[in-house]
Amino acid sequence: DQQVKQNSPSLSVQEGRISILNCDYTNSMFDYFLWYKKYPAEGPTFLISISSIKDKNEDGRFTVFLNKSAKHLSLHIVPSQPGDSAVYFCAASDTGGGNKLTFGTGTQLKVEL
Amino acid sequence: DAGVTQSPTHLIKTRGQHVTLRCSPISGHKSVSWYQQVLGQGPQFIFQYYEKEERGRGNFPDRFSARQFPNYSSELNVNALLLGDSALYLCASSWQGLGNQPQHFGDGTRLSIL
Repeated sequence: DQQVKQNSPSLSVQEGRISILNCDYTNSMFDYFLWYKKYPAEGPTFLISISSIKDKNEDGRFTVFLNKSAKHLSLHIVPSQPGDSAVYFCAASDTGGGNKLTFGTGTQLKVEL
Repeated sequence: DAGVTQSPTHLIKTRGQHVTLRCSPISGHKSVSWYQQVLGQGPQFIFQYYEKEERGRGNFPDRFSARQFPNYSSELNVNALLLGDSALYLCASSWQGLGNQPQHFGDGTRLSIL
């Protein structure tokens, strides 16, 4: 049972444009959400997080939006840069149950010149 | 500042053997968690430790065990290795191990079972 889903395995965007990565979840107990970026041969790098009490969190070029009623979150990257090319993982946790993260399967983002 | 460090980076074992993977958390972090990532999937939670106590366990067989030491470093042990244990094993640390604190990952140990 895939509780966190990233339905787009890959996304290609031109440099300077907006990248939008999507994530859906099914477990209504999840109340903290994170995005990680992963380059080959490296571990996931934390990008940005959002608590369920908010619907938006912004950090520089990265913004995460949360729609609790739809159980959907998205990561916007503006403007996209070639160095953003990586696999992006959405993760969720139930903060009442420790810090176990449940991950999606990832979206490969390619930013083209 | 040093991030999460894991050793070894790569390891090759045969079926039936056992393996020990090591992790040092970010300085000041007291919680360590272990994840398994197989090709094409996201990381899957194995264990969480905080102040040397197990705080959480994922859906893995008893062949998997772990411990945390007084300096907050951690070991993951896997006995009776199977071909399906081939994966990237990731360690993550966080300050207090609370669910609303981001976890920071090491670069992992790539385990190959022949």
